[in-house]
Amino acid sequence: DGGITQSPKYLFRKEGQNVTLSCEQNLNHDAMYWYRQDPGQGLRLIYYSQIVNDFQKGDIAEGYSVSREKKESFPLTVTSAQKNPTAFYLCASSHSFGGHSYTGELFFGEGSRLTVL
Amino acid sequence: DAKTTQPPSMDCAEGRAANLPCNHSTISGNEYVYWYRQIHSQGPQYIIHGLKNNETNEMASLIITEDRKSSTLILPHATLRDTAVYYCIVRVGRYGGGGNEKLTFGTGTRLTIIP
Repeated sequence: DGGITQSPKYLFRKEGQNVTLSCEQNLNHDAMYWYRQDPGQGLRLIYYSQIVNDFQKGDIAEGYSVSREKKESFPLTVTSAQKNPTAFYLCASSHSFGGHSYTGELFFGEGSRLTVL
Repeated sequence: DAKTTQPPSMDCAEGRAANLPCNHSTISGNEYVYWYRQIHSQGPQYIIHGLKNNETNEMASLIITEDRKSSTLILPHATLRDTAVYYCIVRVGRYGGGGNEKLTFGTGTRLTIIP
């Protein structure tokens, strides 16, 4: 089935360690997004990418890094520079607007919950 | 993308219609209104979207005011499973043109269905 897959679902990390969250989609979407969600809060945009080998900072990019080497994949690295990384991380994808297949709908993964010990 | 404003929380009795408002006073002519909902600890789920006409699907109805500055999502017969956080966002539609799209969400409305 087509969809967007995040892994791992739960992750524990010691302070000072980098960790990479995986996001893979087989929907043939050009655009991919990473959001962070803290308890009782909305979604905040970390990074987004409209096309392979290009990405842009969102509202809270400090302490995070991404890559977009393949259309299907948009991994997020939470670095040791991120002061408060414990959160729920959501990846999403959609067609890029203007294209024939564009509907504007965002498809989300089930999320990755990162806890720093 | 234009920003949206939603009430932080609402209650609705089970079986009644839930009406969730959203203000998007700076919406552009080529921007659509989208609604998503997020059940606890899951990824948000698409509900419905529209440009200027009212829309209905199997999940909900969307009413957009004539000036497009606000909209209302209607869940006609709310059930306990509709308890979730509902997000209203606006984004460029099909013929909106090019450029990078910084797609932001607000804090949404936490809807609680009361038995």
